[in-house]
Amino acid sequence: NAGVTQTPKFQVLKTGQSMTLQCAQDMNHNSMYWYRQDPGMGLRLIYYSASEGTTDKGEVPNGYNVSRLNKREFSLRLESAAPSQTSVYFCASSDYRGLNSPLHFGNGTRLTVT
Amino acid sequence: ELKVEQNPLFLSMQEGKNYTIYCNYSTTSDRLYWYRQDPGKSLESLFVLLSNGAVKQEGRLMASLDTKARLSTLHITAAVHDLSATYFCAVGSYGGATNKLIFGTGTLLAVQP
Repeated sequence: NAGVTQTPKFQVLKTGQSMTLQCAQDMNHNSMYWYRQDPGMGLRLIYYSASEGTTDKGEVPNGYNVSRLNKREFSLRLESAAPSQTSVYFCASSDYRGLNSPLHFGNGTRLTVT
Repeated sequence: ELKVEQNPLFLSMQEGKNYTIYCNYSTTSDRLYWYRQDPGKSLESLFVLLSNGAVKQEGRLMASLDTKARLSTLHITAAVHDLSATYFCAVGSYGGATNKLIFGTGTLLAVQP
């Protein structure tokens, strides 16, 4: 049982380039999330999706777009990367039937923008 | 707007000692979570606290929740080196059909032999 799988694990971009971070979960969870982690700032919510077909902004959505492709997959796109988007990105999922259930996290994507 | 503060940010402990990490949050919530993160790794769920006065224990770690004070604590008893990690608290944010969590800044715990 893989849980939450993120690809790629590492990525280096130049300023202005675009890329899509992929996330897939095999736990039949309804809700999915994208967080970024920066030193001294904890994790900050970028976007989330309550269910297939819906997405909402989190704390720091500027510069990002998301797509909930189906129940399993939730992608994060950087249209024009900036050095301020250098971070570790985590995807997570949770079970809607238990609103209080903890989030399950992927292993992260380490992104550097030069 | 929900804000979550943790302190201390960094904690250096000797093995065998006790200490407490504090997590304060700014608005009403009825669910609080503690996570552990090892260097370069993902986050692992430790505790889920869902009501005022809730207390959960696992090994040398004990978490509690006071919703009236908007405070949770993570108490470490007789620390061992294996507990070295970063610990995050996260608070559930009302609204929508999701378990949207707002995280604290984390506490880096270093247990020295």
